Amino acid sequence: DAKTTQPPSMDCAEGRAANLPCNHSTISGNEYVYWYRQIHSQGPQYIIHGLKNNETNEMASLIITEDRKSSTLILPHATLRDTAVYYCIVRVYDRGSTLGRLYFGRGTQLTVWP
Amino acid sequence: DGGITQSPKYLFRKEGQNVTLSCEQNLNHDAMYWYRQDPGQGLRLIYYSQIVNDFQKGDIAEGYSVSREKKESFPLTVTSAQKNPTAFYLCASSPTGPGGNTQYFGPGTRLTVL
Repeated sequence: DAKTTQPPSMDCAEGRAANLPCNHSTISGNEYVYWYRQIHSQGPQYIIHGLKNNETNEMASLIITEDRKSSTLILPHATLRDTAVYYCIVRVYDRGSTLGRLYFGRGTQLTVWP
Repeated sequence: DGGITQSPKYLFRKEGQNVTLSCEQNLNHDAMYWYRQDPGQGLRLIYYSQIVNDFQKGDIAEGYSVSREKKESFPLTVTSAQKNPTAFYLCASSPTGPGGNTQYFGPGTRLTVL
């Protein structure tokens, strides 16, 4: 149960902003949204995470809607090296556990073209 | 140079043999995880450990075993009982406690059973 829905593929021109959407309509109040990306045959790379507020770091920005049912990852100036599978993940807490679990879906294949 | 190492990168075994995959981290993280990834799919949780000498089954633990004798190490054994062991195996680690437990991944081991 991936708990998130993402488009299977998107493309973007180099230098333009890439906006990757994600739906998580069943998210609960204490569940964080995480974004990772995976370049072919490598381990996933952490990008950003958030709970309610929008977040920004050196890699990307995360915009979470007020009702928290969806979010958008923004890569402000996409480069060819940003071509990867992007995973939107909800961190879920099992009953009685303080350690959240990440549920990965199939992600969005982002292709950045010259 | 902190991080997570997995060895070897590629591993070949004959059907019916047990095989152990190595995962070491020097990030001083309490929690460690093992995931499996099949072609075109997201990651699925095999086992995780919040602390030394303790571990829990994930979603697909059958045919796998783990140990956590040291904080830095979380080896995974793929036993002959695992019906379809050929896959890409990823190890991750994270801190624990409130405020988030972002997982950081190793480079992965690609296991092929002949």
